[in-house]
Amino acid sequence: GDSVTQMEGPVTLSEEAFLTINCTYTATGYPSLFWYVQYPGEGLQLLLKATKADDKGSNKGFEATYRKETTSFHLEKGSVQVSDSAVYFCALSAAQKLVFGQGTRLTINP
Amino acid sequence: DVKVTQSSRYLVKRTGEKVFLECVQDMDHENMFWYRQDPGLGLRLIYFSYDVKMKEKGDIPEGYSVSREKKERFSLILESASTNQTSMYLCASSLRVSVRETQYFGPGTRLLVL
Repeated sequence: GDSVTQMEGPVTLSEEAFLTINCTYTATGYPSLFWYVQYPGEGLQLLLKATKADDKGSNKGFEATYRKETTSFHLEKGSVQVSDSAVYFCALSAAQKLVFGQGTRLTINP
Repeated sequence: DVKVTQSSRYLVKRTGEKVFLECVQDMDHENMFWYRQDPGLGLRLIYFSYDVKMKEKGDIPEGYSVSREKKERFSLILESASTNQTSMYLCASSLRVSVRETQYFGPGTRLLVL
């Protein structure tokens, strides 16, 4: 079945460091890919998405490119801030459902 | 902005109690979803609904039921709560049935079953 595997956390970085959170997927057909973020005490909110191969999603300085050849959708940011501390979920959309990875907790220290 | 609200942020219930979790969305979305979130497991789909009075089982429906009598409201019911149902419950909605559609999430209900 469809599945998403993402980098295990927790990840701890210093402010202004470069961030990569790896995400790979297994799916039949042509899924859309998403990154959601969950700030402490809140629900999930969409960070970015890509709906077809080679699309790049971007938002708030974060980017991810839909790579069909490597079945990946890695999240990157060039310079992280303390306010980026959150749990990040990679997900794919298959038919009517979202399939989530297990989440990666990111902590940014000043 | 889309708003998805959940009836409670925190609930404490006893084993065997019947528990109702309610979710309301204000954007006339067709689809609504219930997930549970557990550490290390991500989000797992319990049930979803693509229309009033319609429901589909997700990946972990056992021990749960749902009700959608009105388009904006989707209820999750634990018929007889058990300790292994202690979890964070998240409701979501999306505009229509499509792989491209974004799901919008509520703030979650943290349920503790004693």
